[in-house]
Amino acid sequence: DQQVKQNSPSLSVQEGRISILNCDYTNSMFDYFLWYKKYPAEGPTFLISISSIKDKNEDGRFTVFLNKSAKHLSLHIVPSQPGDSAVYFCAASASGTYKYIFGTGTRLKVLA
Amino acid sequence: GAGVSQSPRYKVTKRGQDVTLRCDPISSHATLYWYQQALGQGPEFLTYFNYEAQPDKSGLPSDRFSAERPEGSISTLTIQRTEQRDSAMYRCASSLGGQVNNEQFFGPGTRLTVL
Repeated sequence: DQQVKQNSPSLSVQEGRISILNCDYTNSMFDYFLWYKKYPAEGPTFLISISSIKDKNEDGRFTVFLNKSAKHLSLHIVPSQPGDSAVYFCAASASGTYKYIFGTGTRLKVLA
Repeated sequence: GAGVSQSPRYKVTKRGQDVTLRCDPISSHATLYWYQQALGQGPEFLTYFNYEAQPDKSGLPSDRFSAERPEGSISTLTIQRTEQRDSAMYRCASSLGGQVNNEQFFGPGTRLTVL
C-alpha cells in the first residue's frame, strides 16, 4: 500500500513558467512533509519542508502548500529554470517517528 | 567529512554470496538511515540509528539483512545469501539528530546487482 503517492511520473514546463508538482498521502498520522530534489548519479538533496501546523511554506522560488483535509501537498517553483530539471520526491513522517515514507518521484524537465 | 560517503559505489555479486555496504556519515551527525531504492521508485526505509542504538529496523525485508553502527559513526549494511530481488540502489543518509525533523543528507548510494 503506497502511503505517499506522486501520480505524475513526469512534467515538462517552459522556462520562466510555474512548475507544480503534486503529492497525495493516505496516512492521517503524517504531520511533517518534505520535498527532495535529485540529479542523476547523486543522492537526493533536501529542498523544503512543511509541518502540519502550517498550510504554506516559502523559500525563494519554492513554495510548498499543504491541504490537510484533502491529504494533498504541492510544490510550486516559480519562475522555473533549466537547472530545476531533476526528479522531485515528496516524503512524509508521523510525529515522534524517524521513519520517512517517500513517493515514487516526478521527473521535471524545464525547457529553455 | 564534507558529506555522506558510501562504498563501494557499485557492487556486482552472484546469488548466494554475502555483501557488506559501508556508510560514512557527516561526522557531527547522530542519526543515520539506510534506504533501499528500486529503479523508478522512491527510497524505501530500511532502518535507522541514533548513535549506536538501532531503535527501528522494521523496514529490513528479511533476516538476511542486518545493519550495524558499533561506535556511533560508520555503519555497515550486510545482506547474507543475496538474491536477485535484492538488486537495488542502497542509500545512506545522516542528520544531526535530536529532532525528528532534522534535514537528512544523502550519500551517492551503492548500486547492488545480484546475478
